[in-house]
Amino acid sequence: QVQLVQSGAEVKKPGSSVKVSCKGSGGTFSSNVICWVRQAPGQGLEWMGGIVPLLGTATYAQKFQGRVTITADDSTNTAYMELSSLRSEDTAVYYCARGANSGYDWGLAYWGQGTLVTVSS
Amino acid sequence: DIQMTQSPSSLSASVGDRVTITCRASQSIGNFLNWYQHKPGRAPKLLIYGASGFQTGVPSRFSGSGSGTDFALTISGLQPEDFATYYCQHSYSAPPTFGPGTKVDIK
Repeated sequence: QVQLVQSGAEVKKPGSSVKVSCKGSGGTFSSNVICWVRQAPGQGLEWMGGIVPLLGTATYAQKFQGRVTITADDSTNTAYMELSSLRSEDTAVYYCARGANSGYDWGLAYWGQGTLVTVSS
Repeated sequence: DIQMTQSPSSLSASVGDRVTITCRASQSIGNFLNWYQHKPGRAPKLLIYGASGFQTGVPSRFSGSGSGTDFALTISGLQPEDFATYYCQHSYSAPPTFGPGTKVDIK
């Protein structure tokens, strides 16, 4: 049974960075895409980027280019999302999610529980 | 980037109703279209994959249709647990954008 477990809630100051982790268990972690999706209060789902751990190179939504870094550690089945230059508008629940099949399958069948990131001075 | 639109943005319905939500892509995406259900405080759940494929465990009252640019999610016989927000998402290419969502609430 595939499970994704994310790190806990964070409170950050504007201008700082946050790094959220997502540890996978069950199934094949390395060959399926791991994406990060966020939902700001009152807003919809927003795809931020994704990585296939086996391939190592992440792809990002243009909106977040230069501010987000997605990495993965095969040895610990853990993916990370780091967002820098935080502003209040980045306050959101951040989800990691895994593709249904191997490779760049963007249909996200498995989801972490979400991590609330609050940006406040 | 491929843009996704949904209609309606919200709807009110009663238990037992048949509900249809539509989704349109800004260019042809074949059948690379997924539907998710999202409830407050929960992670989104993949319902329909590849426009009309069922995910394991999803009730048969949910069905998807369409190809190219126009798609639909139908709930045949709305149940109390179906009140949620529904999102379409294309998986044709990166970025795999989501639609803005359709909130289904109780009439």
